[in-house]
Amino acid sequence: EVQLVESGGGLVQPGRSLRLSCAASGFTFDDYAMHWVRQAPGKGLEWVSGISWNSGSIGYADSVKGRFTISRDNAKNSLYLQMHGLRAEDTALYYCAKASYYDSPFDFWGQGTLVTVSS
Amino acid sequence: EIVLTQSPGTLSLSPGDRATLSCRASQSVSSSYLAWYQQKPGQAPRLLIYGASSRATGIPDRFSGSGSGTDFTLTISRLEPEDFAVYYCLQYGRSLVFTFGPGTKVDIK
Repeated sequence: EVQLVESGGGLVQPGRSLRLSCAASGFTFDDYAMHWVRQAPGKGLEWVSGISWNSGSIGYADSVKGRFTISRDNAKNSLYLQMHGLRAEDTALYYCAKASYYDSPFDFWGQGTLVTVSS
Repeated sequence: EIVLTQSPGTLSLSPGDRATLSCRASQSVSSSYLAWYQQKPGQAPRLLIYGASSRATGIPDRFSGSGSGTDFTLTISRLEPEDFAVYYCLQYGRSLVFTFGPGTKVDIK
């Protein structure tokens, strides 16, 4: 059974940092691209960042470029999102999702981890 | 950057009705890199359609996608009670960037 389990969310003050993790199981992790997608409370979906199977292709939304860094450890079947300089507008449920290739749609999502940025 | 616009914002229909949802792109979406997702409250999104018209695994055939270039449509031929949800279109892969539309809520009339 495919599983994506996000962790690392929580309450953080503006300007601080946080690192999200996504543990993958039930599929061959290093065969797939991975992405982070977020959803602010009561709002729509926003793609945040993506990474190809071998980290050769990486992309970021303009809203997080220069502040967030995506990475993966294929030996640990894990995806990460390092977030710096957090802002109130980064408050959201953060999903990780997998895709067959970098330029493929997200075919399975985790249940998300909530990040709240507030003083 | 491609901007996606979805209409209508809300669609109020009854079970058994036909639903037609629109997604319009600010620039042509190459190779029909356009997908549709369904999201129910408290759940992660689910892939319905990819490549503008191909159904994802396990998706009922009452869901269909069409369109090309800048205009795309998701059609639900006969709404079932479980189809009332929010639907998002996604443009994927162009220049390493992905874009969602703002969503269309299909609710019960």
